[in-house]
Amino acid sequence: AQKVTQAQTEISVVEKEDVTLDCVYETRDTTYYLFWYKQPPSGELVFLIRRNSFDEQNEISGRYSWNFQKSTSSFNFTITASQVVDSAVYFCALSEVISSGSARQLTFGSGTQLTVLP
Amino acid sequence: DTGVSQNPRHKITKRGQNVTFRCDPISEHNRLYWYRQTLGQGPEFLTYFQNEAQLEKSRLLSDRFSAERPKGSFSTLEIQRTEQGDSAMYLCASSLILRGQETQYFGPGTRLLVL
Repeated sequence: AQKVTQAQTEISVVEKEDVTLDCVYETRDTTYYLFWYKQPPSGELVFLIRRNSFDEQNEISGRYSWNFQKSTSSFNFTITASQVVDSAVYFCALSEVISSGSARQLTFGSGTQLTVLP
Repeated sequence: DTGVSQNPRHKITKRGQNVTFRCDPISEHNRLYWYRQTLGQGPEFLTYFQNEAQLEKSRLLSDRFSAERPKGSFSTLEIQRTEQGDSAMYLCASSLILRGQETQYFGPGTRLLVL
């Protein structure tokens, strides 16, 4: 069975600090996708990144960077120079193949509440 | 291009009543997903449509739940004889496969409270 673990329930940092959110996953699939979503207090899940299992290249987008390590089944997310607006719940998710077709449902972790203090 | 929309945003109902939620996906997205999210947890998959066909239902979707996507556009999720345990955020997502890859985009959710 697929599983996503976000061991950090809550993290609190002061503005401008760097912060890393951990994500560990389990899957038997050889091909899968990993995602990060942000959920601000308004409730809407905002897509941040998708990573394919066959592409272990790390990615940087502005203040955001992602470290994918297949050997340790981890897909960690780092925010550099955090800002108050980064305060939200962040979810890591794994997509798996639905048994009846080729589409993929998402399995989410339980999320990490990030609070950035001014 | 508008995003995924959901209505209503909030619903309060009494136990035993029926409720219906609507989801309008991003235009031309042929896949539509429903998830449920309880407090402090990540969303959990409920069901999925490709065009108008409902292709998968999770074990979380009891007989009191029914979902439709009649013309392959908007979708409705109905809960009959609501129970207090149904209180949750119901999220809809839509997607379109491009070059064999798929990303789900979520709506703002409908928050249900069953009294």
